[in-house]
Amino acid sequence: GAVVSQHPSRVICKSGTSVKIECRSLDFQATTMFWYRQFPKQSLMLMATSNEGSKATYEQGVEKDKFLINHASLTLSTLTVTSAHPEDSSFYICSGKTGGNQPQHFGDGTRLSIL
Amino acid sequence: AQSVAQPEDQVNVAEGNPLTVKCTYSVSGNPYLFWYVQYPNRGLQFLLKYITGDNLVKGSYGFEAEFNKSQTSFHLKKPSALVSDSALYFCAVRDFGTGFQKLVFGTGTRLLVSP
Repeated sequence: GAVVSQHPSRVICKSGTSVKIECRSLDFQATTMFWYRQFPKQSLMLMATSNEGSKATYEQGVEKDKFLINHASLTLSTLTVTSAHPEDSSFYICSGKTGGNQPQHFGDGTRLSIL
Repeated sequence: AQSVAQPEDQVNVAEGNPLTVKCTYSVSGNPYLFWYVQYPNRGLQFLLKYITGDNLVKGSYGFEAEFNKSQTSFHLKKPSALVSDSALYFCAVRDFGTGFQKLVFGTGTRLLVSP
């Protein structure tokens, strides 16, 4: 149980394009979803937190206009990297959790490469 | 602010030997602590958590962790390591500051189990 599906697993695109990453909770309702960024050999950096039907809360230093997050339902959140540039290349990971003391459950990540 | 520290970048152990991956925490209030494992190019998998109760917590894949309040530690342990346990391990603590129950991750410890 508690499966999170993240799609696509890998994206390679040209600079200036926008990329959408989907995160779906398959067998539970994710009241809260989180988006992380991970650089090589480093820990996870939280980018933003979203509750279903509400605007995302971004961490300090994360550009909300560049990283658009939509949490339209209890099973789907999307991250759109707008006008992507090479410095946006990274491994992006989503997670979802229900309420209470339940752990976050993570997707398998999306490796984004901007040429 | 809540934080965790993983003092070892890498732990090497021979297959069949016991393993320990260290984690210490710094929190205000009661700590909610988690261990996750990450395999290459994958998201994080939940191993175990400590919220309250017994100091020895048992989790997935034969792992356990011991909560030690006096030493502010939450070390991950396994009695007999497998080569397949080789991966990146993250300790995390829940941050209640914003109400979103964010996780604050350590820097990760790479476990290498040799045959």
